[in-house]
Amino acid sequence: EAGVTQFPSHSVIEKGQTVTLRCDPISGHDNLYWYRRVMGKEIKFLLHFVKESKQDESGMPNNRFLAERTGGTYSTLKVQPAELEDSGVYFCASSLWSGQPQHFGDGTRLSIL
Amino acid sequence: EDQVTQSPEALRLQEGESSSLNCSYTVSGLRGLFWYRQDPGKGPEFLFTLYSAGEEKEKERLKATLTKKESFLHITAPKPEDSATYLCAVQAPNSGGSNYKLTFGKGTLLTVNP
Repeated sequence: EAGVTQFPSHSVIEKGQTVTLRCDPISGHDNLYWYRRVMGKEIKFLLHFVKESKQDESGMPNNRFLAERTGGTYSTLKVQPAELEDSGVYFCASSLWSGQPQHFGDGTRLSIL
Repeated sequence: EDQVTQSPEALRLQEGESSSLNCSYTVSGLRGLFWYRQDPGKGPEFLFTLYSAGEEKEKERLKATLTKKESFLHITAPKPEDSATYLCAVQAPNSGGSNYKLTFGKGTLLTVNP
């Protein structure tokens, strides 16, 4: 069984540019989560999809972040325009049911210059 | 707001030297407590879920326990390949019952020397 895959593994962009991160969950997992870890801090929740619906987006920092999950399969997280404080590692996780353990991808390391 | 505190921040052990990692939590109601292992450049790898006080789970040299305020990850006779960051996370429902997010601690960096 393939795990959660994230693309790209690393992205370096300049402040003000746009970046789109992609996450492919484990096949059949209806629940998809985005998290972020900034330097020196703990991993923090961004949002939760159940199929194509946003179940909880309480962790999204501001309206420069847009997450989508069209068709309930893969998800994208767009940052537009990127700011310096958006640098960090963005993790995606998926689970079969909402209360089950979440399985994580290896993350996208985002660097804003 | 849910809070998770892990201690120590870093721990160095000699191969075979058993020890424990601590995870203290404050939540309004616990749905589950999760332990993950994270290697450099990788995502967190799921180890255990604990749901109620008194529960214990074991996997090879690792044993996780849970009380109403904290969880311990006991490492028995560790090997160098056990070196990693160990993360604790809690899942607690909000008033609407729809909250499934994980709240993480900062982790404990474990180094096991041969």
